[in-house]
Amino acid sequence: KNEVEQSPQNLTAQEGEFITINCSYSVGISALHWLQQHPGGGIVSLFMLSSGKKKHGRLIATINIQEKHSSLHITASHPRDSAVYICAAEETSGSRLTFGEGTQLTVNP
Amino acid sequence: EAGVAQSPRYKIIEKRQSVAFWCNPISGHATLYWYQQILGQGPKLLIQFQNNGVVDDSQLPKDRFSAERLKGVDSTLKIQPAKLEDSAVYLCASRPGVGYGYTFGSGTRLTVV
Repeated sequence: KNEVEQSPQNLTAQEGEFITINCSYSVGISALHWLQQHPGGGIVSLFMLSSGKKKHGRLIATINIQEKHSSLHITASHPRDSAVYICAAEETSGSRLTFGEGTQLTVNP
Repeated sequence: EAGVAQSPRYKIIEKRQSVAFWCNPISGHATLYWYQQILGQGPKLLIQFQNNGVVDDSQLPKDRFSAERLKGVDSTLKIQPAKLEDSAVYLCASRPGVGYGYTFGSGTRLTVV
């Protein structure tokens, strides 16, 4: 069992739909990161969370520390949101990131 | 501010050859990471530097991989000799320190044939 699990692995949506990607982790964390990876390999950091909720534009990230669960929401999805979204747990034992396997999101026009 | 610079962008080598990757982090970022991302998988930490000291290299295959950050700024990662299973994207990331977000480079895609 992976220490960080994401669901779904693949997600296809129509433009305008509300999207949710889930992340569960089993390790003790100091922070939870959401990352976006486009084809070609570049990774962009979206959020770093240690509690509660953060919002940036159409993206919202939440975390429930007690349940060891985080969600990434995209409102009014757009084809340019198509990418792999990766959840990564920053362990309290060090600053190592443990990555989930990613969610491939495709938003069709 | 300038991002994390990596070079080369792509590299194709034959097995048993050696290869080196370079990373220049964002100025002032004390912490630098090298990750290996095999196709279809999440990145795996190879080594973490704090300034020019190694913090975590527990997952670095030290029989063939080496990395240095001599002056606490840019870093090189070397593979010698390469194996087919080393084919992956090698990502460099940096951040000012613990508690800050990461900035990733564009990566180096290595193909070993």
